[in-house]
Amino acid sequence: LAKTTQPISMDSYEGQEVNITCSHNNIATNDYITWYQQFPSQGPRFIIQGYKTKVTNEVASLFIPADRKSSTLSLPRVSLSDTAVYYCLVGQKGGATNKLIFGTGTLLAVQP
Amino acid sequence: GAVVSQHPSWVICKSGTSVKIECRSLDFQATTMFWYRQFPKQSLMLMATSNEGSKATYEQGVEKDKFLINHASLTLSTLTVTSAHPEDSSFYICSARREGSYSEQFFGPGTRLTVL
Repeated sequence: LAKTTQPISMDSYEGQEVNITCSHNNIATNDYITWYQQFPSQGPRFIIQGYKTKVTNEVASLFIPADRKSSTLSLPRVSLSDTAVYYCLVGQKGGATNKLIFGTGTLLAVQP
Repeated sequence: GAVVSQHPSWVICKSGTSVKIECRSLDFQATTMFWYRQFPKQSLMLMATSNEGSKATYEQGVEKDKFLINHASLTLSTLTVTSAHPEDSSFYICSARREGSYSEQFFGPGTRLTVL
């Protein structure tokens, strides 16, 4: 399973766009990139998943360059409620077990 | 859709007792469920993979005799912490992979275990 590296923490203010970058230099051809959000004392929540280029949903965008060795989660106009830990995970789609190995995550602190 | 529940949400027990935590997929069938443990200010650590109808697969360093996992149906997996000690106090989280789906896992709300 490809190892991921993210900043330990980031600070932002309400209304700003936040970009969290994740490095995954050893990503395999069949690997997808998935981001989860976790609030304190709650289970992680799926945010977005992608394989290449750009993926957008109602809460975030995911940018993946051509070499796929990194990815950037973009949160538009964050609010205080976006304060959470964001995890970047890399793994194959399908497969018998499809384990998710969590890295350290990025603690995003949004201030008023 | 794709809701996973855990019961109890929190439990306090005395050292030496056993505690069972349930993980249920409420609106889908899950052939595979996963159990994680999370200590304060740390990331989730995968403990084991639970497969319906077969033995669980434990990660390296996780004692299978201490953390008993049973996946008796397509909607229920249980984790029993046997002879719990204060160092087992943690946040236990399960996730479920929907049968027929790919990589997305749905996580439960977690169970806070405190061993006195």
